[in-house]
Amino acid sequence: QVQLQESGPGLVKPSQTLSLTCTVSGGSISSGSYYWSWIRQPAGKGLEWIGRIYTSGSTNYNPSLKSRVTISVDTSKNQFSLKLSSVTAADTAVYYCARELRLRAIDYWGQGTLVTVSS
Amino acid sequence: QSVLTQPPSVSAAPGQKVTISCSGSSSNIGNNYVSWYQQLPGTAPKLLIYENNKRPSGIPDRFSGSKSGTSATLGITGLQTGDEADYYCGTWDSSLSARFGGGTKLTVL
Repeated sequence: QVQLQESGPGLVKPSQTLSLTCTVSGGSISSGSYYWSWIRQPAGKGLEWIGRIYTSGSTNYNPSLKSRVTISVDTSKNQFSLKLSSVTAADTAVYYCARELRLRAIDYWGQGTLVTVSS
Repeated sequence: QSVLTQPPSVSAAPGQKVTISCSGSSSNIGNNYVSWYQQLPGTAPKLLIYENNKRPSGIPDRFSGSKSGTSATLGITGLQTGDEADYYCGTWDSSLSARFGGGTKLTVL
């Protein structure tokens, strides 16, 4: 059973960079035709896809966030990471990491971590 | 504003059936698979339906999905109080971005 766990600071100051890591257990991040995604959800609102990475390093980003987002992978640690720069209060949300079957389904989700942007 | 349109809320009595619609366009639902997710209060979304109408292992057959053209529908029969949750449809668009509906809150009266 694959499990994903987000980790990182819960509080980030405006204009700084939000950094989160997702640790994958129960399977190798390099095995299979899986993509690894970040998705966020502001309180009381819907889901917003941020981007994905394949273990080859290829990435796709939400066009609305592309200028501020970087997703990377560390296969040796079975982890992938998110960096979102120049954050504002609008970036306050629960951030989920997830496994994606490319263009078919998002089948495993982390429990989510709340990141608040505030001074 | 979400690219995929869902009703904000639906309700039905225990034991009854409910359907949740998801409307998109040719650039998303019309040319891609649709999936459905259940989000119980305070928890992460959970995959209910993938590839329009397939259920992952462990999802009861009370849950069903269908797609026609640029719209999709989630059906739930034999409603239980434990089905009260937010339900999201999801698909992909021509830029390979994942897209979600705004979510539908199901109330079991």
